[in-house]
Amino acid sequence: EPEVTQTPSHQVTQMGQEVILRCVPISNHLYFYWYRQILGQKVEFLVSFYNNEISEKSEIFDDQFSVERPDGSNFTLKIRSTKLEDSAMYFCASRRDRRDYTFGSGTRLTVV
Amino acid sequence: SQQGEEDPQALSIQEGENATMNCSYKTSINNLQWYRQNSGRGLVHLILIRSNEREKHSGRLRVTLDTSKKSSSLLITASRAADTASYFCAPTNDYKLSFGAGTTVTVRA
Repeated sequence: EPEVTQTPSHQVTQMGQEVILRCVPISNHLYFYWYRQILGQKVEFLVSFYNNEISEKSEIFDDQFSVERPDGSNFTLKIRSTKLEDSAMYFCASRRDRRDYTFGSGTRLTVV
Repeated sequence: SQQGEEDPQALSIQEGENATMNCSYKTSINNLQWYRQNSGRGLVHLILIRSNEREKHSGRLRVTLDTSKKSSSLLITASRAADTASYFCAPTNDYKLSFGAGTTVTVRA
């Protein structure tokens, strides 16, 4: 069964450093998403991406965040200058149409 | 987008028993999805029910939807230890999902 692949599974970074979280969505999917889950809290929507541009973003997705689809397969989330409060599990998801999403297994980001 | 509110917050049952959890939402939807999350892991899609459907089955899962009451239920029959997880509903009327706090289900051996 097709999967959404996220790398790395766990990343530790120093506060103030830039991180790039990587996702490979399912190949024929058209819509891409990033969500995050701070430990013990709800899964929160960050951003949606369609047709090579952001279609919607939440209040969390400020200027420190950016997304990119640099080639036909990867979908990345960049955090420019990480803060302690960015520590969370980050999930990538993709879908083809109005049907169910497929989520990746997440990247656990720890900012120290 | 709107989020669902799951009830109860936590549920503890004996292996072999059924587990039922509920979801309420506020506005009209196109579909409603249920997800499972094992501790520290990703979200796994369980089942999607469309707004014109009233009941759907998938293996040991049964989902109902009552659009007049704006509620859904997820029933897991003959529970197993591996069903221990958090369960989330996601009512959807646009393109993004919003998750509630979920129901944490613990299945005791």
